[in-house]
Amino acid sequence: AQSVTQLGSHVSVSEGALVLLRCNYSSSVPPYLFWYVQYPNQGLQLLLKYTSAATLVKGINGFEAEFKKSETSFHLTKPSAHMSDAAEYFCAVSDRDSGGYQKVTFGIGTKLQVIP
Amino acid sequence: DAGITQSPRHKVTETGTPVTLRCHQTENHRYMYWYRQDPGHGLRLIHYSYGVKDTDKGEVSDGYSVSRSKTEDFLLTLESATSSQTSVYFCAISALDREYNEQFFGPGTRLTVL
Repeated sequence: AQSVTQLGSHVSVSEGALVLLRCNYSSSVPPYLFWYVQYPNQGLQLLLKYTSAATLVKGINGFEAEFKKSETSFHLTKPSAHMSDAAEYFCAVSDRDSGGYQKVTFGIGTKLQVIP
Repeated sequence: DAGITQSPRHKVTETGTPVTLRCHQTENHRYMYWYRQDPGHGLRLIHYSYGVKDTDKGEVSDGYSVSRSKTEDFLLTLESATSSQTSVYFCAISALDREYNEQFFGPGTRLTVL
């Protein structure tokens, strides 16, 4: 079964500093990977996804992630944090279940705090 | 935003009572999912549906049942609510059954079982 591990359940950065949220995956086949963001009292929304077309994936709000097969990683970065980036971020991996349907497995989430 | 609504948005109930949560979509998407979100666990799949009257279990399905009689509605029932089912419940939809396809999420229902 595929899985993702998010290192650090809470990350704090200063406004304007680099944001780095870590995600490592385990997969026996080339994975499809996602980053979702959840703002307080809202559902999840897609930030970006890796579908094997390019290793560097750009998403919304200035975020990007790089797929590194040798490191089994898909870390999320943003050069300069903004107060509005404060949210919880989820890494996820997608494959097929035993019935042949898409199954998405989420990490435990990383809460990002941005300090003024 | 994808047209997904969940009702109720908040509910407090007592142990042993049945509870039904509703997910309604206006996107005509075939695939629908119910997740629960708990601190330290992320989101975990409860049940999913790949069409009207076609449903299957996820990883944490014990104590839950679902029904889908129309494309637009996916109901989650807690047959006899327990305190361990206190959680935030999210519905999600997807247009395609492809591994690279993203899911769209509703706003969530916060359920407290006393």
